[in-house]
Amino acid sequence: DTGVSQDPRHKITKRGQNVTFRCDPISEHNRLYWYRQTLGQGPEFLTYFQNEAQLEKSRLLSDRFSAERPKGSFSTLEIQRTEQGDSAMYLCASVPAGGRAYEQYFGPGTRLTVT
Amino acid sequence: AQSVAQPEDQVNVAEGNPLTVKCTYSVSGNPYLFWYVQYPNRGLQFLLKYITGDNLVKGSYGFEAEFNKSQTSFHLKKPSALVSDSALYFCAVRGPGANNLFFGTGTRLTVIP
Repeated sequence: DTGVSQDPRHKITKRGQNVTFRCDPISEHNRLYWYRQTLGQGPEFLTYFQNEAQLEKSRLLSDRFSAERPKGSFSTLEIQRTEQGDSAMYLCASVPAGGRAYEQYFGPGTRLTVT
Repeated sequence: AQSVAQPEDQVNVAEGNPLTVKCTYSVSGNPYLFWYVQYPNRGLQFLLKYITGDNLVKGSYGFEAEFNKSQTSFHLKKPSALVSDSALYFCAVRGPGANNLFFGTGTRLTVIP
């Protein structure tokens, strides 16, 4: 257990519904990342926060996706009008400030299935 | 652009034998290289990193990796495999100035008792 938690662990939804995932990072970590991992692939970067500021977004993050980190602590990832192609594992990682910022601590992930 | 290749989807090794999981990379400038392991129903766990310095880096659980700049490789190794090492292993790279990691497709390691 890395200390990063994600909720829910599993989500099954019907196409067209909206879903929201939550990530609680390690408390003293100021950076937070979201990744998506599809079957047979490695994690793909979606977006990155430093404190409450969203500093970078991947082209994978379509306009149906939105992420927030309102108080610089937990983060949420919302997918609107879900599509079957959104089925994946959504991973959150947190990173401490300073020299070890390149070591990312991953949560267990939220597995999304869109039917 | 940065990229990572893990040429083997699956590696099988007998318990007690040495293991190698291969990784090659492509990045502009000096790379930051990482290995992560993923056990079923658990998050990715950091194993080791290469940033600078000695080409042979040691990490968690007895794993080590050798950075080879001329071959642009960063192979993961362990002298004696354990059944508990069976998992999915990911190589990752971070380019200079980048904020995120770029992962390979993963190699499933199975250690046979």
